[in-house]
Amino acid sequence: AQKITQTQPGMFVQEKEAVTLDCTYDTSDPSYGLFWYKQPSSGEMIFLIYQGSYDQQNATEGRYSLNFQKARKSANLVISASQLGDSAMYFCAMRRAGDSWGKLQFGAGTQVVVTP
Amino acid sequence: DAGVIQSPRHEVTEMGQEVTLRCKPISGHNSLFWYRQTMMRGLELLIYFNNNVPIDDSGMPEDRFSAKMPNASFSTLKIQPSEPRDSAVYFCATGLEGNQPQHFGDGTRLSIL
Repeated sequence: AQKITQTQPGMFVQEKEAVTLDCTYDTSDPSYGLFWYKQPSSGEMIFLIYQGSYDQQNATEGRYSLNFQKARKSANLVISASQLGDSAMYFCAMRRAGDSWGKLQFGAGTQVVVTP
Repeated sequence: DAGVIQSPRHEVTEMGQEVTLRCKPISGHNSLFWYRQTMMRGLELLIYFNNNVPIDDSGMPEDRFSAKMPNASFSTLKIQPSEPRDSAVYFCATGLEGNQPQHFGDGTRLSIL
């Protein structure tokens, strides 16, 4: 079965510090994509960053970067220079060619609280 | 550009009533997904459509749930009759076919009393 694991249920980080959110995945499909979403307390799901399984470089989007280690099947999200507005739940998700690029499979999420 | 538009944002109704959730996808997106989020089960895919055709409805909990996409601009998720265990946040997400991100609406918070 395909699976996404986020082992950190919650974490505190100080403003302006960097934080790494862990995500490991399990799939035998060679073609897949990994996504990170942010869900603030207001409830909406915001797409942050994407990494394709064949991408050679780690993805970056502003303060977000993805530490993709394919052999270890990990896709950790790094948020640099944390801001109070980064406090939210963060979800790692995977989409696979074997699912006809259908559903996103989500991890359980990591709750991040940024403190002043 | 407008994002994915869901209505209503909140719905409170009594058990046994019919509930209809609506979704307007981002123009040009040909894939549409309905998800449900609960504390116990997290985010679950209920059904998805490609080019208005249902592709996978294996996540639909039971026959009380039905979804339609009559055209590229509109989809509905219907629960009839509703039960308290259907209380959840229901998200509609849309995207392009292939390995592309899905963009979510703001969700409908459904409470069945």
